[in-house]
Amino acid sequence: TQLLEQSPQFLSIQEGENLTVYCNSSSVFSSLQWYRQEPGEGPVLLVTVVTGGEVKKLKRLTFQFGDARKDSSLHITAAQPGDTGLYLCAGSSNAGGTSYGKLTFGQGTILTVHP
Amino acid sequence: DTAVSQTPKYLVTQMGNDKSIKCEQNLGHDTMYWYKQDSKKFLKIMFSYNNKELIINETVPNRFSPKSPDKAHLNLHINSLELGDSAVYFCASSQVPWRGLRTSVTDTQYFGPGTRLTVL
Repeated sequence: TQLLEQSPQFLSIQEGENLTVYCNSSSVFSSLQWYRQEPGEGPVLLVTVVTGGEVKKLKRLTFQFGDARKDSSLHITAAQPGDTGLYLCAGSSNAGGTSYGKLTFGQGTILTVHP
Repeated sequence: DTAVSQTPKYLVTQMGNDKSIKCEQNLGHDTMYWYKQDSKKFLKIMFSYNNKELIINETVPNRFSPKSPDKAHLNLHINSLELGDSAVYFCASSQVPWRGLRTSVTDTQYFGPGTRLTVL
């Protein structure tokens, strides 16, 4: 069974601070995704990383996939109250072609950015 | 123009009852999913259907039975509801790669707004 450990579970910071969320596993994933979920809504995809060492930027958000494709991080620069939400990492493995489309989610990080 | 819709949004029921949750997607996707999110926000896949065919069936009690009348709909029927079934259930859809074509790119999954089920 593939597991993704996400940390921290809770993060409460002031507007303008930087933060990093980590997603780690002992398993190799063919790709890794980051989702953001707001209260009362479903998760929305932010980014997909597929290559070991890959770095993607989305405005103030920087996503990195580990060289060995076992871990990933999400870094937010100068956080704003609008960044508040639940952040989820999710890994996918196409090993053997039997599990395509199946995502394994981390436990999530609840981020609160205070004005 | 909602992409993935679920009904109802809230469902409150007594233990032992049978209930259904409906899901529809208008994205033309071939694959649909049901996820369960517990009180700690952990999201876990339950089922996946590709073109009305069951392709993922995680360890879920057989009280849960998905049904896909066509590729745009995936309903979830739950028999003999238990307290532990209380959770938020999400439907999702994606256009996964053609079966047999191996690729490392993961399709985007589009989630519905969720159905909060409370079993009393």
